[in-house]
Amino acid sequence: DVKVTQSSRYLVKRTGEKVFLECVQDMDHENMFWYRQDPGLGLRLIYFSYDVKMKEKGDIPEGYSVSREKKERFSLILESASTNQTSMYLCASSSGSFNEQFFGPGTRLTVL
Amino acid sequence: ELKVEQNPLFLSMQEGKNYTIYCNYSTTSDRLYWYRQDPGKSLESLFVLLSNGAVKQEGRLMASLDTKARLSTLHITAAVHDLSATYFCAVDMKGAQKLVFGQGTRLTINP
Repeated sequence: DVKVTQSSRYLVKRTGEKVFLECVQDMDHENMFWYRQDPGLGLRLIYFSYDVKMKEKGDIPEGYSVSREKKERFSLILESASTNQTSMYLCASSSGSFNEQFFGPGTRLTVL
Repeated sequence: ELKVEQNPLFLSMQEGKNYTIYCNYSTTSDRLYWYRQDPGKSLESLFVLLSNGAVKQEGRLMASLDTKARLSTLHITAAVHDLSATYFCAVDMKGAQKLVFGQGTRLTINP
């Protein structure tokens, strides 16, 4: 079974802090994705990566950056956290030839 | 631009009843995915539909795809409380490595 893990289930940070959210997949997938999910807004794509060191902006990249130094790991970085970044963050991965995405358990981030 | 619309967005139904969730999308695609999300949890893959006319069934859920109509349906038969969740459809963007998700349908099944 595909396994996607995220470094934290719950995280509380202060405004202005730098925040790292880590995602690791164990199925050698080429593609990895970061979404945020907010009530009433569905899933919104922040960034995705289709190869090591490659990244593409999604629909709402402002205030975020990403890093993919190894194939299995995709990090989401909030350079200076703000309260409007309080959300559920979901990581997903998929293979290069087949776009079914497999999701991690999610990180619920609260920025105070 | 590919748009994916689900309806209804909210559905409250009684146990034992049948109902259908609809997923419409705006441009050509041959692949569609259904996911389930329980409150506070992540998304779990339910069905993968890979061609026109594809039908998949598991338990009380059945999904189908009509690529000509750009429509997928998720049919619930004799609903039970355990099926209460939010259901998302997602459509494969041709030529891209990403999916476009519908808004989700929050399904509540009452005893």
